[in-house]
Amino acid sequence: QVTLRESGPALVKPTQTLTLTCTFSGFSLNTSGMCVSWVRQPPGKALEWLALIDWDDGKFYSTSLKTRLTISKDTSKSQVVLTMTNMDPVDTATYYCARMGLRWTLDDWGQGTLVTVSS
Amino acid sequence: DIQMTQSPSSLSASIGDRVTITCRASQVISKYLAWYQQQPGKPPRLLIYAASTLQSGAPSRFSGSGSGTDFTLTISSLQPEDVATYYCQRYNSAPQTFGQGTKVEL
Repeated sequence: QVTLRESGPALVKPTQTLTLTCTFSGFSLNTSGMCVSWVRQPPGKALEWLALIDWDDGKFYSTSLKTRLTISKDTSKSQVVLTMTNMDPVDTATYYCARMGLRWTLDDWGQGTLVTVSS
Repeated sequence: DIQMTQSPSSLSASIGDRVTITCRASQVISKYLAWYQQQPGKPPRLLIYAASTLQSGAPSRFSGSGSGTDFTLTISSLQPEDVATYYCQRYNSAPQTFGQGTKVEL
């Protein structure tokens, strides 16, 4: 059974750096074709894809946010970490991590973690 | 980036109605189109991939069609548990992009 769980601060101040961790089980990021993505959703708004990391340490980012995002993995801990710099109130959102297989569809999702940016 | 445009943004239907949602890509994406359902307060769930293949566990009243730039999600007979927002997503390459969502209400 695949599970993913997002963790990180619920509240960050403007200009701070956000660090989110996705801890997963039921699959390995050492497996060829396996990937993990991050997606966010501001309250009442649409989904926005942010970044993905693949089994080979390939990294891809949203065009509009790539200067602020860094994704990394620790396969020994079954974790993927996303950092986002220079947080702003418009970055207030629920952040999800999701497992991607060979198809690159988002097959399994975590429950999400709400991050509020406010001073 | 390739843009995904859904229509309508919201709709209201009755139990048993046939519901159709469309998604248009700004460039040809072959059949690399997925549909996700997001029920209120829950994470999204994959319904359909490769434009028309039903994900394991998804109800058979959901179907998808299309290729190239124009795609459709159909619910053959709307059920109460189908109240949700539906998103299309193109996944042929990164960065991936979602449509803006279609909210389905009773």
